[in-house]
Amino acid sequence: QTVVTQEPSFSVSPGGTVTLTCGLSSGSVSTKFPSWYQQTPGQAPRTLIYNTNVRSSGVPDRFSGSILGNKAALTITGAQADDESDYYCVVYMGNGLWVFGGGTKLTVL
Amino acid sequence: EVQLLESGGGLVQPGGSLRLSCAASGFTFGTYAMSWVRQAPGKGLEWVSGITGSGGSTYYADSVKAHFTVSRDNSKNTLYLQMNSLSADDTAVYYCVKQGLYSSTPFDFWGQGTLVTVSS
Repeated sequence: QTVVTQEPSFSVSPGGTVTLTCGLSSGSVSTKFPSWYQQTPGQAPRTLIYNTNVRSSGVPDRFSGSILGNKAALTITGAQADDESDYYCVVYMGNGLWVFGGGTKLTVL
Repeated sequence: EVQLLESGGGLVQPGGSLRLSCAASGFTFGTYAMSWVRQAPGKGLEWVSGITGSGGSTYYADSVKAHFTVSRDNSKNTLYLQMNSLSADDTAVYYCVKQGLYSSTPFDFWGQGTLVTVSS
């Protein structure tokens, strides 16, 4: 059973830069169409990045996606208080199957 | 504007059944793959099931394969999730999610979710 790993929590100062990562228990995510979602408490998730680095419509350009080594990465440049959320990645495992990471709780302080 | 409106959630006893619906609008429904994603209280997101635009292929997470069935009625622009033999582990908010043209394409639009509570 493949596990998708994310940092459980992270903190960033207002105006700072933070990089969250998404890895696999085995292998690289680079060929698995990693995507990123933002969720605030009580709200539905919002799509930020798909296919590694494509920004969804309306998403500010301070959110960017990339591959770092074997992991997918979400970088937030110039963090704002509004960015305090849970961030989830998801990867495509083939045969129509998707697996989410456990999520990263980002604190801006 | 893409809209996804889930319904059918509620309180159900262990062992019971429930059918969720997702009414879609703002896009050519039958062209796009769709998925259900759930979130247990205080927990992370879990992909549950997916279906191709035609409905010809369906996919399930191992955790639900034996007792959930996904389907769609493209004439009604509606996605369904039939959930049988429910247990407390199935308690969650269930989100309807639009994908791209294929089941390998990512999730782009999310509904607001419907809460399913399995409890006696």
